[in-house]
Amino acid sequence: QKEVEQDPGPLSVPEGAIVSLNCTYSNSAFQYFMWYRQYSRKGPELLMYTYSSGNKEDGRFTAQVDKSSKYISLFIRDSQPSDSATYLCAMSRVGSNYKLTFGKGTLLTVNP
Amino acid sequence: EAGVTQSPTHLIKTRGQQATLRCSPISGHTSVYWYQQALGLGLQFLLWYDEGEERNRGNFPPRFSGRQFPNYSSELNVNALELEDSALYLCASSLAGGRTGELFFGEGSRLTVL
Repeated sequence: QKEVEQDPGPLSVPEGAIVSLNCTYSNSAFQYFMWYRQYSRKGPELLMYTYSSGNKEDGRFTAQVDKSSKYISLFIRDSQPSDSATYLCAMSRVGSNYKLTFGKGTLLTVNP
Repeated sequence: EAGVTQSPTHLIKTRGQQATLRCSPISGHTSVYWYQQALGLGLQFLLWYDEGEERNRGNFPPRFSGRQFPNYSSELNVNALELEDSALYLCASSLAGGRTGELFFGEGSRLTVL
């Protein structure tokens, strides 16, 4: 079993839709959970950051972490064509800020 | 403020050759990380440098090596290139004492091995 599983998609939605992206993981030592966004031919950029369980909201983006189920989600409300990108979940253990374990990424296309 | 910069953008080599990739971190960042993003494999941790020292490496053979210079810039060297080394190599930096996992990535160097 891979440490982090992420559905690669691709996912195609109409503009304005609510998007749900998910990752599951197997290592219970993960405490830090991140979502990175990667546009084509660009490096990943940090979108959301969560420590331990709970929800975090930032504008149209909401990140959820359920450590009991080893499941994290990213919700995008009122999706825009500019949200079209690959979304990567990433996680890290305490004391291991040097090593992020990434999912393979989900390719999202928002159609105008 | 300038972000993480990497060079070259693209590099084409043949099997058995050596490749050198370069990275300049964000000003004030002392840690530099190298990740490999190969098709179908996702981002894999390669190396971590901090204050000029290699602090940790991922599950890669010794022909992947590098160094960090006194100005915190870094080089990644890949010796005896193999076809499967073809990938996007991403450099990232972080602030000392910054949030765990908060890395700032460059746009990458795409290495093609023929």
